[in-house]
Amino acid sequence: ETGVTQSPTHLIKTRGQQVTLRCSSQSGHNTVSWYQQALGQGPQFIFQYYREEENGRGNFPPRFSGLQFPNYSSELNVNALELDDSALYLCASSLGSSNTEAFFGQGTRLTVV
Amino acid sequence: RKEVEQDPGPFNVPEGATVAFNCTYSNSASQSFFWYRQDCRKEPKLLMSVYSSGNEDGRFTAQLNRASQYISLLIRDSKLSDSATYLCVVNRMDSWGKLQFGAGTQVVVTP
Repeated sequence: ETGVTQSPTHLIKTRGQQVTLRCSSQSGHNTVSWYQQALGQGPQFIFQYYREEENGRGNFPPRFSGLQFPNYSSELNVNALELDDSALYLCASSLGSSNTEAFFGQGTRLTVV
Repeated sequence: RKEVEQDPGPFNVPEGATVAFNCTYSNSASQSFFWYRQDCRKEPKLLMSVYSSGNEDGRFTAQLNRASQYISLLIRDSKLSDSATYLCVVNRMDSWGKLQFGAGTQVVVTP
């Protein structure tokens, strides 16, 4: 096991609602990256947090936001949910922002209805 | 054009056979390369990094061709447990830490 844990594992939300997903990074890791994986696609980079600061963002709208806490755990918040937000959300933990070796949590499967 | 492209497969491989597949990347600033394995409805797991000189890890061999901008993965003596989706991943020097994933190549090893 990677030591990266995500919660919840599954979630069903209604269009327009807001959701918060959580990630606990592997012990000793100070960087967390979030990815969205739609069915049949590879993971797409959402953003990265390094030492509590956002350190890079992919092509996602501002309604996708995040936080990193002093213990390096992280949250992903999505406002005004859309049907297309249904996906597996993956958190990756690494030591340093270079992400030379990233370890993924088991993911949160979000379904928007 | 996608930054990382893979043949989606599936590659149907008899147990014990060899299978190989490629991945192409479009950005020459790509600096680090990896193969990840993803089982159905699970998280990706690092299979191996890909080095310029090529590298081997047991039955798995990875090659990098910077001139043609592709990497390859070869699996020898395929096992049933090798059935999975193999994700090609690149890390660009100009956006360090933002891993670019291909959509994956599905491999199905049959008895």
